[in-house]
Amino acid sequence: QVTLRESGPALVKPTQTLTLTCTFSGFSLNTPAMCVNWIRQPPGKALEWLARVDWEDDKFYSTSLKTRLTVSKDTSKNQVVLTVTNVDPVDTATYYCARGSGERYDYWGQGTLVTVSS
Amino acid sequence: QSALTQPRSVSGSPGQSVTISCTGTSSDVGGYNSVSWYQQYPGKAPKLILYDVNKRPSGVPDRFSGSKSGNTASLTISGLQPEDETDYYCCSYAGSHTSVFGIGTKVTVL
Repeated sequence: QVTLRESGPALVKPTQTLTLTCTFSGFSLNTPAMCVNWIRQPPGKALEWLARVDWEDDKFYSTSLKTRLTVSKDTSKNQVVLTVTNVDPVDTATYYCARGSGERYDYWGQGTLVTVSS
Repeated sequence: QSALTQPRSVSGSPGQSVTISCTGTSSDVGGYNSVSWYQQYPGKAPKLILYDVNKRPSGVPDRFSGSKSGNTASLTISGLQPEDETDYYCCSYAGSHTSVFGIGTKVTVL
């Protein structure tokens, strides 16, 4: 079955770089139309789409955050990595990775809460 | 990419129907038939309940239905049940391989 799991630090300091890893199983990122997305949710607030990497290794980013985001994939390890540079307390959120199939996010990880604080 | 507009809350009695609207622009909701809806319980990951405006994934009850007119998509929950009380988010393709979510709606079962 399809599973995704996010991992990374629970606490980062302002101005540091946050690196999150999504480890998945049950599907291949070599399959046409497949992608892995990063989506975040600040406490008590709405979901926000951040970035995606697709089966052709094309990368796409949120317009408002694109200068701070980098997404990459390691197909051999079934992993997708998101980096967020120069973090700020407003980046405090639960970060989810989700499989994209077409334009739907059909499987999600459980999420990882990242707090930005000094 | 501005967040799609949803009502903050809707409510209904068990057995009734409720409809949640999701309003965007011609650059997202109005431009594509790629609207999806997610159900999220507190502390849990979102769950896909509708995609491509009105398609249901396997296992999602047919009480959940979707539609779209112009720049507004809608989710209707018919025969409201107590377990439907939670948060719902719409999401639309916004061009250039990007997506935008709605602000979320809390459904209360009276």
